[in-house]
Amino acid sequence: ETGVTQSPTHLIKTRGQQVTLRCSSQSGHNTVSWYQQALGQGPQFIFQYYREEENGRGNFPPRFSGLQFPNYSSELNVNALELDDSALYLCASSLGQGGVEQYFGPGTRLTVT
Amino acid sequence: AQSVTQLGSHVSVSEGALVLLRCNYSSSVPPYLFWYVQYPNQGLQLLLKYTSAATLVKGINGFEAEFKKSETSFHLTKPSAHMSDAAEYFCAVTLSNTGNQFYFGTGTSLTVIP
Repeated sequence: ETGVTQSPTHLIKTRGQQVTLRCSSQSGHNTVSWYQQALGQGPQFIFQYYREEENGRGNFPPRFSGLQFPNYSSELNVNALELDDSALYLCASSLGQGGVEQYFGPGTRLTVT
Repeated sequence: AQSVTQLGSHVSVSEGALVLLRCNYSSSVPPYLFWYVQYPNQGLQLLLKYTSAATLVKGINGFEAEFKKSETSFHLTKPSAHMSDAAEYFCAVTLSNTGNQFYFGTGTSLTVIP
């Protein structure tokens, strides 16, 4: 069984640029959630995708967008990067729309300069 | 609104001593509750979960937690700390009727003193 994987591991971007982060869900899981974890904080929910449709969104601006593909992998896109976007971005996969057991990937560390 | 409060951002215990990490929640509907552990530069690993079955939940690595509705608490305990338990611990809540948005606490950093 393959766990949740994320790429890249680390990324450095300049303010105003755009970034795409990728996540492959655990085998058999059709739901992917994205979280932002700022340094010293708990993860904050960005949004969730279930069967390629957005299924809930946290308090993040529209410049945070996502996609889920037919194989249930997912992308997180952030436009017009700001310094405060520097964080660890975590992807979690689960089974079903109401699946409560989420399995997390190792995260992508984004630094915005 | 749902939220989680973890009392004590840093906890230090001696090796072999009891570990107690505190978590209180607020939820408008019956909650599902979780404890996750995060080691440096890694993602979150599920320790245990409460999903409305037994109120005393046993997890991995000897950890357990008790759901107390009257106290809105879900404290994490381990009878005897090991050096390998040093990590960041997060309590999280989600709603039992949706299961999509997790609300995490700000975390408790556990230090184990040899």
